[in-house]
Amino acid sequence: ETGVTQTPRHLVMGMTNKKSLKCEQHLGHNAMYWYKQSAKKPLELMFVYSLEERVENNSVPSRFSPECPNSSHLFLHLHTLQPEDSALYLCASSQEGGSGDIQYFGAGTRLSVL
Amino acid sequence: ILNVEQSPQSLHVQEGDSTNFTCSFPSSNFYALHWYRWETAKSPEALFVMTLNGDEKKKGRISATLNTKEGYSYLYIKGSQPEDSATYLCAFAGSARQLTFGSGTQLTVLP
Repeated sequence: ETGVTQTPRHLVMGMTNKKSLKCEQHLGHNAMYWYKQSAKKPLELMFVYSLEERVENNSVPSRFSPECPNSSHLFLHLHTLQPEDSALYLCASSQEGGSGDIQYFGAGTRLSVL
Repeated sequence: ILNVEQSPQSLHVQEGDSTNFTCSFPSSNFYALHWYRWETAKSPEALFVMTLNGDEKKKGRISATLNTKEGYSYLYIKGSQPEDSATYLCAFAGSARQLTFGSGTQLTVLP
């Protein structure tokens, strides 16, 4: 148990569906992240939030919409996804968001887009 | 685009063998180098964060070294055990908030 919980663990959705991924951290951290891992590719950073403000957005398509209502919760809202968006989505948190901070990861949501 | 390379991609070793992997990263604008261990169906877990050239870190049978001038880090596992089987990821930090991950080295320790 790392203190970072992601739900659901698995999600299958059609291209016209709208769904949300949820992440919750119980570590008192101020920064939260969304990563994507596609098959045979490295982890790619999607979004970074620090103190509930978005500080990085790595050219992610607008069909992915993050939300950080408070420092403990992070959502990734999904709409009109494409089959190539099928991947493992990982959430992480860290103390302050600095490059030297250890990141604590959730177990991920395995997403399949049909 | 930052290039973080890990080698080998995968390896199989016998229980009791010692092994090592390499992470190569840009030698400019270095801030930190992270190592994570990722077991199947679990969360990646941090092993080390290294920030200074010449750093050496140790955690039990696992240790790591860092050379920022030439842009590489080695991870060593002494006396590998089946429970060491996992994917080992390195991540380079060259900016304030972003980690760039390598593709990982998948280690299988055979009993």
